[in-house]
Amino acid sequence: AQSVTQLGSHVSVSEGALVLLRCNYSSSVPPYLFWYVQYPNQGLQLLLKYTTGATLVKGINGFEAEFKKSETSFHLTKPSAHMSDAAEYFCAVSQTGNQFYFGTGTSLTVIP
Amino acid sequence: DTAVSQTPKYLVTQMGNDKSIKCEQNLGHDTMYWYKQDSKKFLKIMFSYNNKELIINETVPNRFSPKSPDKAHLNLHINSLELGDSAVYFCASSNGLARTDTQYFGPGTRLTVL
Repeated sequence: AQSVTQLGSHVSVSEGALVLLRCNYSSSVPPYLFWYVQYPNQGLQLLLKYTTGATLVKGINGFEAEFKKSETSFHLTKPSAHMSDAAEYFCAVSQTGNQFYFGTGTSLTVIP
Repeated sequence: DTAVSQTPKYLVTQMGNDKSIKCEQNLGHDTMYWYKQDSKKFLKIMFSYNNKELIINETVPNRFSPKSPDKAHLNLHINSLELGDSAVYFCASSNGLARTDTQYFGPGTRLTVL
């Protein structure tokens, strides 16, 4: 079975504070993991992905995520939140046929 | 240039009607997808096509029929629309079927059934 769990449907941080969005997965095959961002009334945009190799993955807009097999986690972080980071964030795992299973999303609010 | 485009952006219609949503990608990708995003923002795959052939067909009512006239287009036709069909529908494309392939999403079509 494959699934993605995103803990915390809503996260609020102050501008300049650390952003931490949690993602745990289960996968019957070696996991390939993705983080996408969705700005209001827009489609999804890839932030970063993990396939193989280095477990710390850097993405766009200063985001990074670390794949931890022992914890079945792929948490997304950014050292300093910016107002423009306010959006919905989705974690996904890909399976056979590149079928994506998405988490339920985390809405990030940045407080000025 | 928009990589993955969808028309229309908004669609408001009555129950029982038939409607279509069109999707086009100019990325040269072989694989295209339809997703449904419900009111709680949950995204679920509906269909995928690779080189015009149906690959994934999730448990979607047969009122939904995808059609891929060529690799660059994947349209979604919905018959006898129901209230529960109200959602945002996203088209996406990827280079192929490899699990490492990034999916690129269109801007979405917000369907409202009255």
